[in-house]
Amino acid sequence: DGGITQSPKYLFRKEGQNVTLSCEQNLNHDAMYWYRQDPGQGLRLIYYSQIVNDFQKGDIAEGYSVSREKKESFPLTVTSAQKNPTAFYLCASSTMDRARVSTEAFFGQGTRLTVV
Amino acid sequence: KQEVTQIPAALSVPEGENLVLNCSFTDSAIYNLQWFRQDPGKGLTSLLLIQSSQREQTSGRLNASLDKSSGRSTLYIAASQPGDSATYLCAVKGNYQLIWGAGTKLIIKP
Repeated sequence: DGGITQSPKYLFRKEGQNVTLSCEQNLNHDAMYWYRQDPGQGLRLIYYSQIVNDFQKGDIAEGYSVSREKKESFPLTVTSAQKNPTAFYLCASSTMDRARVSTEAFFGQGTRLTVV
Repeated sequence: KQEVTQIPAALSVPEGENLVLNCSFTDSAIYNLQWFRQDPGKGLTSLLLIQSSQREQTSGRLNASLDKSSGRSTLYIAASQPGDSATYLCAVKGNYQLIWGAGTKLIIKP
């Protein structure tokens, strides 16, 4: 089945530790995104990528890093510089139209990260 | 700066009722608007996508409308069922990213 797979579903991080969240899609979408969701707030964009080997910072990129070495994969690393990483992280992908504008977005099932 | 607001934050109705969820945005220069459903602890499921040139979209018991001039979209759910209980999110597409509302938590009582 086509879709977006995020792993792991739950992740626990110790203080000062870097962790990497996986996001894989087999929809052949050009664009991929990482969002952070906190209770009572709208989703906030961390990073996005419209093409392989290129990515852009979103609104809350500090303390996070990404790579886009393959079209299908867009891993997110939460570094020790992120002071409040406990949240629900969502990965999404979309196609691009002729004007290079992203169209309908599809989401994975999310990863819940907790600092212990 | 685009801002998206969803009112109410929570809504509880008896099963079988028709209901309307609201989404408002401050900048009418949008490419599209998308409605999503989120179940607790889960990812988002796309429900309806309305392009900026469209007025409404329908899928089953769901109907979404878009009025760019007034900066409003509504999601109409007909004959609500307990399985419709979830958080409903709207997002507007700007230049390069989606701008999100905080969602409406919907509870359908049997």
